[in-house]
Amino acid sequence: DSGVTQTPKHLITATGQRVTLRCSPRSGDLSVYWYQQSLDQGLQFLIQYYNGEERAKGNILERFSAQQFPDLHSELNLSSLELGDSALYFCASSGDRELNTEAFFGQGTRLTVV
Amino acid sequence: AQTVTQSQPEMSVQEAETVTLSCTYDTSESDYYLFWYKQPPSRQMILVIRQEAYKQQNATENRFSVNFQKAAKSFSLKISDSQLGDAAMYFCAYKGTYKYIFGTGTRLKVLA
Repeated sequence: DSGVTQTPKHLITATGQRVTLRCSPRSGDLSVYWYQQSLDQGLQFLIQYYNGEERAKGNILERFSAQQFPDLHSELNLSSLELGDSALYFCASSGDRELNTEAFFGQGTRLTVV
Repeated sequence: AQTVTQSQPEMSVQEAETVTLSCTYDTSESDYYLFWYKQPPSRQMILVIRQEAYKQQNATENRFSVNFQKAAKSFSLKISDSQLGDAAMYFCAYKGTYKYIFGTGTRLKVLA
C-alpha cells in the first residue's frame, strides 16, 4: 500500500459528460502529481501541485482542470469528455523532507468514455 | 527540456537468467534523481530502484542493480536471476526540479 488513495477506481461515463477524480496523498506529502496513461502507453504528465499551488503543467487539455485543497487532497476535473479521454489516471505524491524523493502512486482511476 | 528515452519496447529473458533494460536521458540540470518503476498487469506503479545523480556508486536492491553513467546520461537496469514475477512494464523516470518524467516503457517477458 503506497498510502496514496484514489477514488473512484473505475468510472464509466458518456461522451460530453464531466467527471471528478479524487486523490488523497500520503500523510505529510505536499506535492501531488497527475498523470494520464492510455492503453499500453507511457505516463503523460498533466499537472503538479505543491501545498495548494500549481507548480508545473504538462500537456493538460483546456477541458481538464485540477486543484489542491487546504487538506492537501487533490481533484482532477475532466469535462466535455471524448472517447480519447479513456485512460488510466494516476495520482502520485512525494515528500519534501528530501529534495527529490520517489513518487508514490495511487492505484489509478480507470476512466472509460462510451 | 528534459527527456527520457527507452529504446527497447519489449525484451524477453529466460527464467533465472540476467537481463538489462536500457534508458537514456537528457538534461541540463546538475541535481536530479533517476528511478526505475515496475508496472505489473495490475497497473500499480511500484518503485524498483532509485539513483541520486551526485552519487557515483551504482544503486543495488537485491536482484536489481543499475549502471549509471552520468557523462553518457545512461541509466540501465539489470535484473539478475529473473523470476516469473518480474514480468511487467518497466519505466525509467527522471526527477529534477519539478515533475517526474517517464520513458515510454519496456515490456519484459520472462520465459519459463
